[in-house]
Amino acid sequence: ETGVTQTPRHLVMGMTNKKSLKCEQHLGHNAMYWYKQSAKKPLELMFVYNFKEQTENNSVPSRFSPECPNSSHLFLHLHTLQPEDSALYLCASSQVSGGTGELFFGEGSRLTVL
Amino acid sequence: AQSVTQLGSHVSVSEGALVLLRCNYSSSVPPYLFWYVQYPNQGLQLLLKYTSAATLVKGINGFEAEFKKSETSFHLTKPSAHMSDAAEYFCAVRESKTSYDKVIFGPGTSLSVIP
Repeated sequence: ETGVTQTPRHLVMGMTNKKSLKCEQHLGHNAMYWYKQSAKKPLELMFVYNFKEQTENNSVPSRFSPECPNSSHLFLHLHTLQPEDSALYLCASSQVSGGTGELFFGEGSRLTVL
Repeated sequence: AQSVTQLGSHVSVSEGALVLLRCNYSSSVPPYLFWYVQYPNQGLQLLLKYTSAATLVKGINGFEAEFKKSETSFHLTKPSAHMSDAAEYFCAVRESKTSYDKVIFGPGTSLSVIP
């Protein structure tokens, strides 16, 4: 595996379900990100982890709970979501300091909340 | 705070015609600038980046962009559009924090290529 991989690619869940999105990066980067992409809206940065420490929480509702057990893995735990949370959730990684800081993205997890 | 604007949420060109996607940024420091492309149901892929080494930057798939400090612009061009160029294009600027890099994205421009 190379790059950034996200699973599952597609997820349908009810508002009372609990599910998780998984992201793994194979690039040796030290920062990982969750972005939300909704139709006709700009990309929204949700969370940033740098060296496993959360360095940004962009006013995300508590029904989204991130977890970063190590610098290669990032999870987004989902609980009691709303239909408006339906979106493409993108994971990205980058090398902080010493580089140009560009993000490398996974292919996304398409979430539908019924 | 840094920001990015992209003029035109949707651009249509004929196959073989010039592609021009506009991007303007605001930044209080010399920026790192990026163009990303997103094909349907996929993540974002880096097309090219400006890192102050050269003002004209060449990227993948025949795209290039020119950094113009006086105009705070970083427009993306391709001399001859191909059907496979139809996608969403995002301009982005890097905002350096003390402990991580925050990348600010523009709203995106959807490119259609007409046969």
